[in-house]
Amino acid sequence: DAKTTQPPSMDCAEGRAANLPCNHSTISGNEYVYWYRQIHSQGPQYIIHGLKNNETNEMASLIITEDRKSSTLILPHATLRDTAVYYCIVRPSGGGADGLTFGKGTHLIIQP
Amino acid sequence: EPEVTQTPSHQVTQMGQEVILRCVPISNHLYFYWYRQILGQKVEFLVSFYNNEISEKSEIFDDQFSVERPDGSNFTLKIRSTKLEDSAMYFCASSSDRGQSWSDTQYFGPGTRLTVL
Repeated sequence: DAKTTQPPSMDCAEGRAANLPCNHSTISGNEYVYWYRQIHSQGPQYIIHGLKNNETNEMASLIITEDRKSSTLILPHATLRDTAVYYCIVRPSGGGADGLTFGKGTHLIIQP
Repeated sequence: EPEVTQTPSHQVTQMGQEVILRCVPISNHLYFYWYRQILGQKVEFLVSFYNNEISEKSEIFDDQFSVERPDGSNFTLKIRSTKLEDSAMYFCASSSDRGQSWSDTQYFGPGTRLTVL
């Protein structure tokens, strides 16, 4: 699986948009970009994923650059409950049996 | 909304004892996984399970570990003789609902905290 690079930590003011970047310059054509988050020691929570088009759901938006070498997760109106470690993971389509490779992620701290 | 459940939430055991961690994956999912997270470290993949057999496993998943799907709903991780270094959070996940849409997204349970004394 392609390696991802994320900043170790970020701050964001409550109510503002949180933009979390991820670099995945070695991503292959059949690899999706997945985002998960982990609050304290809870189980990782799925947020969103995409291949090359931008995606939006009730939790977040995912912007993938045209060359697919980087992406940005956007939490449009961050709340204190969004404080968590956010993981960007790339994974091939159809890789059902493959385990996810978690990095250290970005520790997002939402400031009141 | 369907979710993965795990029991117990916290298990304390003595070194050398056997433990079984239990998971109920999301109904209709076909792939099942175990991960662990030692305190302060990354989430690490242990094993995946499909069609009643192990599909992939990591170097961590040695002979001390085994997995089983004893019935149509439970998925278990057994550690035969626990060591101090097995103390960690253990997460179960499931994926691939071939219902209305095919999806590889893995959904995680809340975890079991294993403490080996």
